[in-house]
Amino acid sequence: DAKTTQPNSMESNEEEPVHLPCNHSTISGTDYIHWYRQLPSQGPEYVIHGLTSNVNNRMASLAIAEDRKSSTLILHRATLRDAAVYYCILRDFEGYQKVTFGTGTKLQVIP
Amino acid sequence: GAGVSQSPSNKVTEKGKDVELRCDPISGHTALYWYRQSLGQGLEFLIYFQGNSAPDKSGLPSDRFSAERTGGSVSTLTIQRTQQEDSAVYLCASSLDQGLSGYTFGSGTRLTVV
Repeated sequence: DAKTTQPNSMESNEEEPVHLPCNHSTISGTDYIHWYRQLPSQGPEYVIHGLTSNVNNRMASLAIAEDRKSSTLILHRATLRDAAVYYCILRDFEGYQKVTFGTGTKLQVIP
Repeated sequence: GAGVSQSPSNKVTEKGKDVELRCDPISGHTALYWYRQSLGQGLEFLIYFQGNSAPDKSGLPSDRFSAERTGGSVSTLTIQRTQQEDSAVYLCASSLDQGLSGYTFGSGTRLTVV
């Protein structure tokens, strides 16, 4: 079960970009990198995922290091609604894997 | 429905009582997961159902915990003889396949054992 490590907390000013890091040094070649976020009193919601190339969607961008041992979730302009816990997890595309969500990064957005 | 529905949203029970938590996944999603989240903690995997395959029950913390998924759709998580340490938010998620395209989570059931 490949592990990920993230900082416990980060702060950002409103309307500024935020870069949330994730280390996954034991990632295997068949692991996708997924990001979820959990708003207060809600279940986690899917944000983005990728394998090797950088990915963009309406919510965020995902930058993946060339060696795939780390990745960064980028929120281009933080809003107060982005204050949440962000989780980085790995999903093996070759088969079922019991996924563990760690404690994630708690993002505080300062008005 | 449009999302994963869990009921009840809140449950307060006395120590020693049994409780049932319900999860209604997105129609057509073959995979269903239960997680538990204690206050300020990450998500702890409990159990996974995939189609007609035998469920992965390796995350269930004790034999007081059990889960069923009937007809490949609705799932019920049962906790017998509840203890105070069972107090947590119980989250259900479903996915179209094994989760490669992402999980959809419900809002959870907050269980408080008094």
